[in-house]
Amino acid sequence: AQSVSQHNHHVILSEAASLELGCNYSYGGTVNLFWYVQYPGQHLQLLLKYFSGDPLVKGIKGFEAEFIKSKFSFNLRKPSVQWSDTAEYFCAVGSGNTGKLIFGQGTTLQVKP
Amino acid sequence: DAGVIQSPRHEVTEMGQEVTLRCKPISGHNSLFWYRQTMMRGLELLIYFNNNVPIDDSGMPEDRFSAKMPNASFSTLKIQPSEPRDSAVYFCASSFQDNYEQYFGPGTRLTVT
Repeated sequence: AQSVSQHNHHVILSEAASLELGCNYSYGGTVNLFWYVQYPGQHLQLLLKYFSGDPLVKGIKGFEAEFIKSKFSFNLRKPSVQWSDTAEYFCAVGSGNTGKLIFGQGTTLQVKP
Repeated sequence: DAGVIQSPRHEVTEMGQEVTLRCKPISGHNSLFWYRQTMMRGLELLIYFNNNVPIDDSGMPEDRFSAKMPNASFSTLKIQPSEPRDSAVYFCASSFQDNYEQYFGPGTRLTVT
């Protein structure tokens, strides 16, 4: 069965620190890759997505992610986090013809001011 | 575009009562998803529809849960009878089937006492 694994469940950083959240998936075919963010008390919002082309994808609020096909990975990065980045981050993969996304279990990011 | 609309935003009910959650997807989207989110279990896909047809309901916890999509602009998730363990935030999301990018509604916070 297809699965998505996020390595870090809870990350605590100070403001201005660099961020990298890991995401690996288990599917060998063509994939569509996503990172969603959920701010406290809110719904999931799209942060960035990869369908094809340049494997380095830029999203909103200074986030970026790199698709490495050989490693089945799609890690999320930000060079300098802010307190307002405190949220839960979900990696998701779409594949096959189902139309549905497989979500990772989420990573909670806490940024200390 | 108004985005995905869910109602009610909050629902408090007593155990044994019937609960109906409503969702209006983004116009033109042909896939609709119902999720449940709790601290203990994270984000769970309950059921999804393509072109108003239920495709996969394997995530529905038990027969107390049912979902319908009578037309392209409306879906309901019903719990009858409700139990305290059903307390959660229920999200509806919609997408174009072929590109997987899901847009989430604001959610319904359900509390069953």
